[in-house]
Amino acid sequence: KQEVTQIPAALSVPEGENLVLNCSFTDSAIYNLQWFRQDPGKGLTSLLLIQSSQREQTSGRLNASLDKSSGRSTLYIAASQPGDSATYLCAVPISGGYNKLIFGAGTRLAVHP
Amino acid sequence: GAVVSQHPSWVICKSGTSVKIECRSLDFQATTMFWYRQFPKQSLMLMATSNEGSKATYEQGVEKDKFLINHASLTLSTLTVTSAHPEDSSFYICSAWTGDQPQHFGDGTRLSIL
Repeated sequence: KQEVTQIPAALSVPEGENLVLNCSFTDSAIYNLQWFRQDPGKGLTSLLLIQSSQREQTSGRLNASLDKSSGRSTLYIAASQPGDSATYLCAVPISGGYNKLIFGAGTRLAVHP
Repeated sequence: GAVVSQHPSWVICKSGTSVKIECRSLDFQATTMFWYRQFPKQSLMLMATSNEGSKATYEQGVEKDKFLINHASLTLSTLTVTSAHPEDSSFYICSAWTGDQPQHFGDGTRLSIL
């Protein structure tokens, strides 16, 4: 059974720091992995999708890497800004599945000026 | 593009009331829609999967008679929480899937049962 764990659960940093958020999953046979952002009381915004054949994806200041063999992904945020404050979730499809997602509990990020 | 509209965004009602939540894909047709529930400071948990024109499939532990899902068209799915009680208070989020990744999520509905 697929399980997703995110570390740390919460993070508070000053503006400008480079950050690393971690995600681990128990079943390495995944089709893809996604990182989402969730603002308080809001839905999800997809940030990056990494296919199983890929090692990383980049979008602006965000870079996500995937190591299937070790069951890990990291989200790197460069030069953090107060507007980056949100909860970041990673998700993978269920074991043997493709479209049903299992989410981690998220990392709550606060970037202060 | 790929906008999913969820309505209402917030609802407060008395215990015993039934509440309907709509999920619409505005500019695309969704093969499948998913319904998730999120309790405070917890992650999203998949409740059910609905495909247009067929019965929804529910995840283990989700009462299908409590959470009625109708997927009448390729752009609309509804979740009805029947005879809602305070323990049903939660944040409900839908997503729509075209058969190609990624899923597109709605903004969620905050349900508060008094």
